[in-house]
Amino acid sequence: DIQLTQSPSSLSASIGDRVTITCRASHDIRSYLAWYQQKPGRAPTLLIYGASTLQSGVPLRFSGSGSGTDFSLTISGLQPEDFATYYCQHLNIYPLTFGGGTKVDIK
Amino acid sequence: EMQLLESGGGLVHPGTSLRLSCVGSGFVLNDHYISWVRQAPGKGLEWIGRSRNEANAYTTEYARSVEGRWKISRDESKNSVDLEMENAGVEDTAVYYCARGRDSTHRGAFDIWGQGTMVAVSS
Repeated sequence: DIQLTQSPSSLSASIGDRVTITCRASHDIRSYLAWYQQKPGRAPTLLIYGASTLQSGVPLRFSGSGSGTDFSLTISGLQPEDFATYYCQHLNIYPLTFGGGTKVDIK
Repeated sequence: EMQLLESGGGLVHPGTSLRLSCVGSGFVLNDHYISWVRQAPGKGLEWIGRSRNEANAYTTEYARSVEGRWKISRDESKNSVDLEMENAGVEDTAVYYCARGRDSTHRGAFDIWGQGTMVAVSS
């Protein structure tokens, strides 16, 4: 199975900060990676697919990059509504797996 | 509005079987791959399995943790994708979500999620 390792597992940041979360895959997954945001008590929502394509309706401050085994999600100018947990997911082969998550909270 | 809605959760005893349903609205459910994802209390997301779309004969794939134990099926009369959980254990306590693949391929990211249904397994 492909393992996804996210880092850091948590971080504290201030409004307006630039935040980067990384996701490393145990095997080459090409660009078949998605990023999700989840707020407490809510279902996840899709932010990025294909490693770098922004889902419709997602603010432009979110961006994704990477291919192969190393990926990142960047939030340029953190907003109050961005404090949440972020997950990466690969869609290359079965079983599909998620990273362990990165919790972003207020400094 | 395109939506998914799960139902069927509740409190059950270990060893019990349970059937969760995921009903879609605002889009043609049968055109899409539908996955089940769970989240244990305070934990991360775990993909359980998926049903491919009608064009791919609704074939299924499962995570190792549930393969051979649980089954995903479609009920066209109800416009639903169901998860049959046999022999549930305390480790299966979680919120269960269904999610839609955004395109008609196995690599479609999950663009629509239901609100989740809670399953608690306890004696």
